[in-house]
Amino acid sequence: QQQVKQSPQSLIVQKGGISIINCAYENTAFDYFPWYQQFPGKGPALLIAIRPDVSEKKEGRFTISFNKSAKQFSLHIMDSQPGDSATYFCAAQRPGTYKYIFGTGTRLKVLA
Amino acid sequence: EPEVTQTPSHQVTQMGQEVILRCVPISNHLYFYWYRQILGQKVEFLVSFYNNEISEKSEIFDDQFSVERPDGSNFTLKIRSTKLEDSAMYFCASSEEQIQYFGAGTRLSVL
Repeated sequence: QQQVKQSPQSLIVQKGGISIINCAYENTAFDYFPWYQQFPGKGPALLIAIRPDVSEKKEGRFTISFNKSAKQFSLHIMDSQPGDSATYFCAAQRPGTYKYIFGTGTRLKVLA
Repeated sequence: EPEVTQTPSHQVTQMGQEVILRCVPISNHLYFYWYRQILGQKVEFLVSFYNNEISEKSEIFDDQFSVERPDGSNFTLKIRSTKLEDSAMYFCASSEEQIQYFGAGTRLSVL
């Protein structure tokens, strides 16, 4: 019930294409869903986050789509660039708790 | 831009030895965390710390682990007697409220 399942494990996209990473959860108590981006040798950095009262949130080329009934959320990277090549983690958090539950990560490679 | 700083970047130790991993959280943050990431696996929560006490811990955080805020700026993770399976990247994070900011991590190698 505490798991967040993330797919795919790795993704290769052509420059200018759309990258889509999916996450699914079981615990309906989760109320905060951040996405983190991690470059090699660096810590995870917050990219964008959403709450379940919103179905979509967009920041620049990054969009989170949220489907509360399906208990799924996804990250879309529009016009993917080689500089987007990194590992992406989705996460979830319950109210009243401090910890993030992370997905297993997706290694994205954008080809020039 | 303020950031979470972790030292050392890489720590090599012998099995059974004690290690202390150090973190300087962002200065106005009140919540502090340790996570670990075994190579190729997901980031796992270890412990959260608020108001000078542990607020939450995972099943990974057993009696071999302890955390401390020895002064107004540092936040440390101590592993008393390291095991081979403690080899991982350890991330410190801090938050003012919900958004957690992560350091670059300390890679712990237990030989």
